[in-house]
Amino acid sequence: NAGVTQNPKFQVLKTGQSMTLQCAQDMNHNSMYWYRQDPGMGLRLIYYSASEGTTDKGEVPNGYNVSRLNKREFSLRLESAAPSQTSVYFCASSEAWEGHGYGYTFGSGTRLTVV
Amino acid sequence: QKEVEQNSGPLSVPEGAIASLNCTYSDRGSQSFFWYRQYSGKSPELIMFIYSNGDKEDGRFTAQLNKASQYVSLLIRDSQPSDSATYLCAVRDDKIIFGKGTRLHILP
Repeated sequence: NAGVTQNPKFQVLKTGQSMTLQCAQDMNHNSMYWYRQDPGMGLRLIYYSASEGTTDKGEVPNGYNVSRLNKREFSLRLESAAPSQTSVYFCASSEAWEGHGYGYTFGSGTRLTVV
Repeated sequence: QKEVEQNSGPLSVPEGAIASLNCTYSDRGSQSFFWYRQYSGKSPELIMFIYSNGDKEDGRFTAQLNKASQYVSLLIRDSQPSDSATYLCAVRDDKIIFGKGTRLHILP
């Protein structure tokens, strides 16, 4: 049981390049999330998908786009990378959107450096 | 702006002692409360959740919730060096909001 799988694990981009971060979960979870984690800033929500077919902006969506490809997969795209996007990116999933809730299961993260 | 506040630490605790981690939150409507542990260079891992006022125990961990005071805490009994990590408090209303974490260092 893999849980939440993220690819790639590490990436170095030049300013202006684009890339897609992949995320897949095998737990049949409805909701999926993308966070970035920076020193001193904690985990900040970029985008989320409450259920298949829906996506919404989080706290820091500028410079990113997402696609909920199916129930399992939720990708994050950087169209034109900037040094300010250097960060560790975590994908997470949870079983339900509403009600008492369920905690998140996190992927292992993608360490992205933009030079 | 909903907020979750934690002391950043580091909190240094001797091995075998009780480590006490605290968290306050701003939204009185929050329903669910979580503690995550994050080792350096790793992803957060859920270790406890609590929904109701009072204490919830799981092994060496006890989560405490006081909704009137908007306060959540995590106690770790018989602290071990392997407990050295950053502990993230998280609060769920519609989405989960994370605190910035408290670094815990267990002194051998």
